[in-house]
Amino acid sequence: DTAVSQTPKYLVTQMGNDKSIKCEQNLGHDTMYWYKQDSKKFLKIMFSYNNKELIINETVPNRFSPKSPDKAHLNLHINSLELGDSAVYFCASSLGLAGDQFFGPGTRLTVL
Amino acid sequence: KQEVTQIPAALSVPEGENLVLNCSFTDSAIYNLQWFRQDPGKGLTSLLLIQSSQREQTSGRLNASLDKSSGRSTLYIAASQPGDSATYLCAVRNSGYSTLTFGKGTMLLVSP
Repeated sequence: DTAVSQTPKYLVTQMGNDKSIKCEQNLGHDTMYWYKQDSKKFLKIMFSYNNKELIINETVPNRFSPKSPDKAHLNLHINSLELGDSAVYFCASSLGLAGDQFFGPGTRLTVL
Repeated sequence: KQEVTQIPAALSVPEGENLVLNCSFTDSAIYNLQWFRQDPGKGLTSLLLIQSSQREQTSGRLNASLDKSSGRSTLYIAASQPGDSATYLCAVRNSGYSTLTFGKGTMLLVSP
């Protein structure tokens, strides 16, 4: 009965590789988000989707490409991974753009 | 650009104490403010959401207040317990279409 789920939980990869993180919510929400939490624990928005449409893109490098196949899923694909991409990536969802946000457990990405 | 600051960065108290966590924001024209809890290695859990028109919200032993004009919010935890140990994050939304801007959090340790 998990509300917001992410896979994988941990991801270790080499510089230059391409990887994807998946997110699914079963709350019936129409808005989904990707956040990045860096080594200093600072949590920052990356993308926001509403009804499968990109609403917010916070100056994220175009190596990061989100994809929302339907309202319940928001995946994140990262090309040409760099050391600085190492972080914990959180997916979240809400009902409407201003609704209470529910977070997934996070994906810890380590780029070697 | 909105900036959110949380003081203190870390707090250690004995069980049973009442405590206050502080959050300040630079742009007082906010839509709402939210307090979250983050446990190590896990996602965020929403604790309280205060709309800009509200002064406070209460949930169990938690009480959050909002003073928009001074750009401040406090989270009051009554009769703290070891299970309250976590990082507490404050986040503000500037409009109904914007995303959350987070503070860096206060790491709370409640010892038995």
